[in-house]
Amino acid sequence: DAGVIQSPRHEVTEMGQEVTLRCKPISGHDYLFWYRQTMMRGLELLIYFNNNVPIDDSGMPEDRFSAKMPNASFSTLKIQPSEPRDSAVYFCASSSVAEKLFFGSGTQLSVL
Amino acid sequence: GQQVMQIPQYQHVQEGEDFTTYCNSSTTLSNIQWYKQRPGGHPVFLIQLVKSGEVKKQKRLTFQFGEAKKNSSLHITATQTTDVGTYFCTTRGGGADGLTFGKGTHLIIQP
Repeated sequence: DAGVIQSPRHEVTEMGQEVTLRCKPISGHDYLFWYRQTMMRGLELLIYFNNNVPIDDSGMPEDRFSAKMPNASFSTLKIQPSEPRDSAVYFCASSSVAEKLFFGSGTQLSVL
Repeated sequence: GQQVMQIPQYQHVQEGEDFTTYCNSSTTLSNIQWYKQRPGGHPVFLIQLVKSGEVKKQKRLTFQFGEAKKNSSLHITATQTTDVGTYFCTTRGGGADGLTFGKGTHLIIQP
């Protein structure tokens, strides 16, 4: 099992550009989560999906952020337009119902 | 969703000393999950506790769930440099109820 796969590992972009982060969950997991981690705010839940359907996006900071899960094996988190304050590590995680979370290696995003 | 608070935020210890981090909730929890994140890494699941008063051990790590299921602790005996990292607690209800991690406890070990 390859685990949760995220890409890219690092992303450096300029303010105003569109950023797309990608995630492939573990096969068979029906929950997918997007988290953002910063020193100031810790590990924040942005949005989660159940069976490809967004269930709770109350953690999404603002309309510049959007997430999709077109099928059970792929999800994207998009930021448009990006701002310097979006700089953080973004983690994707997946799980079966009521079970432990498996995290990907994260995407280190730097917005200049 | 259910929320847990974790203390302390930072803990400096000398190598060989013990370390404890605490999770507290104002409401009864159905379970507690503990994760560890090494510097530069991603959170990795350590253990889940579900029973009142439950105690589980993993080598030098001891996990406890309070009798009232409102608090939990992680204790490390004789810390080693490999224990460095951030320890998170969270609780998992149905779906993603809970599953907030917060800032965790950063363990810094001085050799």
